[in-house]
Amino acid sequence: GAVVSQHPSRVICKSGTSVKIECRSLDFQATTMFWYRQFPKKSLMLMATSNEGSKATYEQGVEKDKFLINHASLTLSTLTVTSAHPEDSSFYICSAWTVGPRSTGELFFGEGSRLTVL
Amino acid sequence: SQQGEEDPQALSIQEGENATMNCSYKTSINNLQWYRQNSGRGLVHLILIRSNEREKHSGRLRVTLDTSKKSSSLLITASRAADTASYFCATDGRYGNKLVFGAGTILRVKS
Repeated sequence: GAVVSQHPSRVICKSGTSVKIECRSLDFQATTMFWYRQFPKKSLMLMATSNEGSKATYEQGVEKDKFLINHASLTLSTLTVTSAHPEDSSFYICSAWTVGPRSTGELFFGEGSRLTVL
Repeated sequence: SQQGEEDPQALSIQEGENATMNCSYKTSINNLQWYRQNSGRGLVHLILIRSNEREKHSGRLRVTLDTSKKSSSLLITASRAADTASYFCATDGRYGNKLVFGAGTILRVKS
């Protein structure tokens, strides 16, 4: 199956700094990627839809200036948590789905990035 | 916003027993999917059922879909300790352009 790579898997940073998380589709082109946030023992909350070559679409309540998303190529989307604070500590997961005739409609997920803001 | 609601929230069974998890949703869908997540990991796709399908099988998994009740169930037969994980349903909504996940069921299979 398709592979999505996410990096870093864990990051600890000081309050006020910015953190960038990368999401790569390794063996397929992803015009659309999704960023989710997950709190402990909770479900995934969709934050935004990342579109290659255009602006991301944010879900209601998600701050665009806080969570910057860039989808510069067909295989890479980045999420930057700007001026991070302890309440931003969470598990962030990216995903992508294949498109075209062979698309199965399933999402392929990265392994997630655990952010801890001190 | 989360569309799917799942029950039970947590399920503990003995190895060899069957596990049934249910999911309800609110809006029209094109398809419904089930995913599995091991603790602290990404999600793995299990099975997809389209809105015009009523039942689907994959190995020890059986999924049903009742669009009139806006509900789905996932049955894992002959459970194993390795099935211990969180299970989520996800729906693609009216426009099929994103997946929204349910609250999930935490399954624990005791050996």
